[in-house]
Amino acid sequence: KAGVTQTPRYLIKTRGQQVTLSCSSISGHRSVSWYQQTPGQGLQFLFEYFSETQRNKGNFPGRFSGRQFSNSRSEMNVSTLELGDSALYLCASSWYQETQYFGPGTRLLVL
Amino acid sequence: TQLLEQSPQFLSIQEGENLTVYCNSSSVFSSLQWYRQEPGEGPVLLVTVVTGGEVKKLKRLTFQFGDARKDSSLHITAAQPGDTGLYLCAGIQGAQKLVFGQGTRLTINP
Repeated sequence: KAGVTQTPRYLIKTRGQQVTLSCSSISGHRSVSWYQQTPGQGLQFLFEYFSETQRNKGNFPGRFSGRQFSNSRSEMNVSTLELGDSALYLCASSWYQETQYFGPGTRLLVL
Repeated sequence: TQLLEQSPQFLSIQEGENLTVYCNSSSVFSSLQWYRQEPGEGPVLLVTVVTGGEVKKLKRLTFQFGDARKDSSLHITAAQPGDTGLYLCAGIQGAQKLVFGQGTRLTINP
């Protein structure tokens, strides 16, 4: 069974730009979650989508948004990038959230 | 403040030694998970503990969930270089949301 994939793996943007990150979940998994990982804050929950509807949301500003599509694809968008948005962004898919399968992440650098 | 506090944050030991990593909280979790993350990869689930006092073993790794379901520990016996990585604990509370600890970066020196 294919794992979770994320594209691109690395990305460099400048402040003020916007970015869209993609994730392909494991086929059949209905839940996808997104996390931000930084050395200082660790892994922080951004949001979770279940069957294309947002089910949970973390404590991040509205600049961070997501979408889940019916074809196991999902996207995360960050508008008006700030230097502090530099991080590893991870998506994880699951049938139920108890067992999450993580992708390798997209490393975003904001200059 | 972190909901889940892991200690130590960094640990570097010699091959063959034993070690314990702790994950503590003032909150109760319905279950707790341990993950290992290697450079360039996402976290990989090692174990889920559900019942207070539960002990699970995975080869040389022993996981324990506290009686009050507020804390957990990971003990590694006879550590090997392949155990090197970032170990993360994560707790699940009511709304099916995973909360992660800061992680313990473990280095096993040959």
